[in-house]
Amino acid sequence: AQSVTQLDSQVPVFEEAPVELRCNYSSSVSVYLFWYVQYPNQGLQLLLKYLSGSTLVESINGFEAEFNKSQTSFHLRKPSVHISDTAEYFCAVRDNAGGTSYGKLTFGQGTILTVHP
Amino acid sequence: KAGVTQTPRYLIKTRGQQVTLSCSPISGHRSVSWYQQTPGQGLQFLFEYFSETQRNKGNFPGRFSGRQFSNSRSEMNVSTLELGDSALYLCASSFPGTGTTGELFFGEGSRLTVL
Repeated sequence: AQSVTQLDSQVPVFEEAPVELRCNYSSSVSVYLFWYVQYPNQGLQLLLKYLSGSTLVESINGFEAEFNKSQTSFHLRKPSVHISDTAEYFCAVRDNAGGTSYGKLTFGQGTILTVHP
Repeated sequence: KAGVTQTPRYLIKTRGQQVTLSCSPISGHRSVSWYQQTPGQGLQFLFEYFSETQRNKGNFPGRFSGRQFSNSRSEMNVSTLELGDSALYLCASSFPGTGTTGELFFGEGSRLTVL
């Protein structure tokens, strides 16, 4: 069984400030890790993913996340946030065993990021 | 390429009724998964279908069911609705296969309100 803990339910921050959204996971098998973003009244959009290789992954809009196997963490960071980054962010895991069910993700409870002017 | 389409976007039902939600995956995607999103429980996996077969099922009562058609479109049904079934139901499609990551693409959801 897997579980995901997002340590902060809400993170308020001022525009152009840095931000870190924390995610820890628990799993008995190797996993793939994802961050999704959800804007109001919309579905989830993939922000970035860790599958293998470099432990630092980046998105096209300036977010990055680092996989830390020893600490079982996958924290999301952005050096300078914009008003448009206001949304809810979800960390998720899926086991990467062969023949796995691709459709089953285990999500954290979400972190609401609010960027103030 | 069109995204994942869910219908209806909003609906209101009363306790005891049943509801059917529809999901059209991205063209070429053969896997469809369903999730329930509520403020209290967050995002919970309902079930996954691939090539018309249920591959995996979450921890939900038998009132929740689904199916997938030969064109990969999927429906989910909730019978004997309860107040606690009020939620955003999200559908996601993927293209699982060798060398792919099976990344999930989500629709905008169907928001069900049970009165």
